[in-house]
Amino acid sequence: DAGITQSPRHKVTETGTPVTLRCHQTENHRYMYWYRQDPGHGLRLIHYSYGVKDTDKGEVSDGYSVSRSKTEDFLLTLESATSSQTSVYFCAISEGREETQYFGPGTRLLVL
Amino acid sequence: QQQVKQSPQSLIVQKGGISIINCAYENTAFDYFPWYQQFPGKGPALLIAIRPDVSEKKEGRFTISFNKSAKQFSLHIMDSQPGDSATYFCAASTGETSGSRLTFGEGTQLTVNP
Repeated sequence: DAGITQSPRHKVTETGTPVTLRCHQTENHRYMYWYRQDPGHGLRLIHYSYGVKDTDKGEVSDGYSVSRSKTEDFLLTLESATSSQTSVYFCAISEGREETQYFGPGTRLLVL
Repeated sequence: QQQVKQSPQSLIVQKGGISIINCAYENTAFDYFPWYQQFPGKGPALLIAIRPDVSEKKEGRFTISFNKSAKQFSLHIMDSQPGDSATYFCAASTGETSGSRLTFGEGTQLTVNP
């Protein structure tokens, strides 16, 4: 998975609790992305980062925030988890803005 | 709002047959069209990609056909093998200066029977 790790790999949480997912890369790539994958929707971009402290919203950003204080780490936070945020979350990285995106192994999140 | 429509949702092919997956897009600003392959429990991995300046790109048994005027592109898998059984996603992006924001299709679950 191209030097990308995601943690945790599985998580069960309750509605209303905050959740933070971590993406760590060892490739020193500039761009990092968070997607969610749901049946019938493919993958949808939540947020992405084009450098340390530089982030922007994607297609489905409501209810999510991100932070990137180091090149290698990109955090996704669900401020107050809802059942609609039950999904598989993938982190991706790319070296340049038009380069191939490489995906991590994913995190399965279940919000009860 | 789904900007990339993918069909079929599922596809069953016999070993040695041709698998064809189609995608249609709306945004004429898209200028990069990759296909990703995903096995169960894994993240998607780039299979092949095309830019609109060519109508076809072939890599081994995998071919992308691109029709700019119709805003459609398709993946052809020749001599399909059981190991090709996976979910395939088409995608498109505009390659903006702040990053390549991929818009994915809904996915096609391909099963190749031995």
